[in-house]
Amino acid sequence: GDSVTQMEGPVTLSEEAFLTINCTYTATGYPSLFWYVQYPGEGLQLLLKATKADDKGSNKGFEATYRKETTSFHLEKGSVQVSDSAVYFCALSGNTNAGKSTFGDGTTLTVKP
Amino acid sequence: DVKVTQSSRYLVKRTGEKVFLECVQDMDHENMFWYRQDPGLGLRLIYFSYDVKMKEKGDIPEGYSVSREKKERFSLILESASTNQTSMYLCASSFGTGFSYGYTFGSGTRLTVV
Repeated sequence: GDSVTQMEGPVTLSEEAFLTINCTYTATGYPSLFWYVQYPGEGLQLLLKATKADDKGSNKGFEATYRKETTSFHLEKGSVQVSDSAVYFCALSGNTNAGKSTFGDGTTLTVKP
Repeated sequence: DVKVTQSSRYLVKRTGEKVFLECVQDMDHENMFWYRQDPGLGLRLIYFSYDVKMKEKGDIPEGYSVSREKKERFSLILESASTNQTSMYLCASSFGTGFSYGYTFGSGTRLTVV
């Protein structure tokens, strides 16, 4: 079945550092890929998405590129802020599971001033 | 913006009580989902629904049931609450039967069963 593997956390960075959170997936067909963010005590929010190979999703300075050849969707940001501290989830939704999403385990990011 | 509203942020219930968690979305989404989130276990799908009066089991349906009498409302029911159901419960909705739409989540209900 479908699966998503995220880099294990927690990740701790200083403000203005470069962020990469790795995400790889296993799926049949051509899934859509997503990154969600969860701030403390809140539900998840859709951060960005990509629906086909080589698409780049972007939002709030975050980017991720759908790489079919490496089955990856790594999240990057050039300069993180303290307010980016949150848990980040990679997810996929494939055409073989009727729209249900499969989530990674989440990566906790802490940004220190 | 689509809004998904969960009726309670925090809830404390006693063992054996029947518990209702309510979720309402305001953008006419067809699909609705209930997840629970526990430290170290990620998000686990309990039940989902693709239409009114329709429901399907997710990965961990035992001890839960659901109701979807109207398109905008999806209720999760704990028939007889137990301490191992203490968790954060997240409701989500999405548009259509396509898979390129992401989910919109509610803020979550943190349930404690004592």
